[in-house]
Amino acid sequence: DIQMTQSPSSLSASVGDRVTITCQASQDISNYLNWYQQKPGKAPKLLIYDASNLETGVPSRFSGSGSGTDFTFTISSLQPEDIATYYCQQYDNLSGLLTFGGGTKVEIK
Amino acid sequence: QLQLQESGSGLVKPSQTLSLTCAVSGGSISSGGYSWSWIRQPPGKGLEWIGYIYHSGSTYYNPSLKSRVTISVDRSKNQFSLKLSSVTAADTAVYYCARVDIAAAGTYYFDYWGQGTLVTVSS
Repeated sequence: DIQMTQSPSSLSASVGDRVTITCQASQDISNYLNWYQQKPGKAPKLLIYDASNLETGVPSRFSGSGSGTDFTFTISSLQPEDIATYYCQQYDNLSGLLTFGGGTKVEIK
Repeated sequence: QLQLQESGSGLVKPSQTLSLTCAVSGGSISSGGYSWSWIRQPPGKGLEWIGYIYHSGSTYYNPSLKSRVTISVDRSKNQFSLKLSSVTAADTAVYYCARVDIAAAGTYYFDYWGQGTLVTVSS
């Protein structure tokens, strides 16, 4: 099974800062990597799919990059409404299985 | 606008079977290009994928839960269901149902989610 290692597990940054989260797969997953935002008490929301495609309606300050085993999620200018936990999720097209990363809790400094 | 709504027992006794249903509105569960999934989140912890079912009825399950999980579809009611047997306190979690977009040539991703329902396993 493919394992996803997401880091850091938490971070604190100031409004306007650039925030970067990484996700590493235990084997090559091409670009089959998605990113979600989850606010307290709410269901997760899809932000990025296929590693770098912005979901419709999602602000352009969110972006994703990477392929193979190493992926990056970036908030270019952190806003107060971005306080949430962010998760990566991979799809293994050989086994059909899905896996989430452990999550990154983003807080305002 | 597609909507998903979980329902079922919020309290299950240890060793019994957890049963949840996800009602889909605003779209057909038989639409091609999608599958239907369950995800759970223990209190204060991360997300865990449980499994998904294609409209054909084929299923894929998390290997760590496979021996205890059954996901099924009722097309006449436009809903799908989760059964998890032999539950323990470790199965206490918020359970979400979600649609999986499989139409594109790329990854599978969850594009619509239910609001989630808390299931507590306790005697």
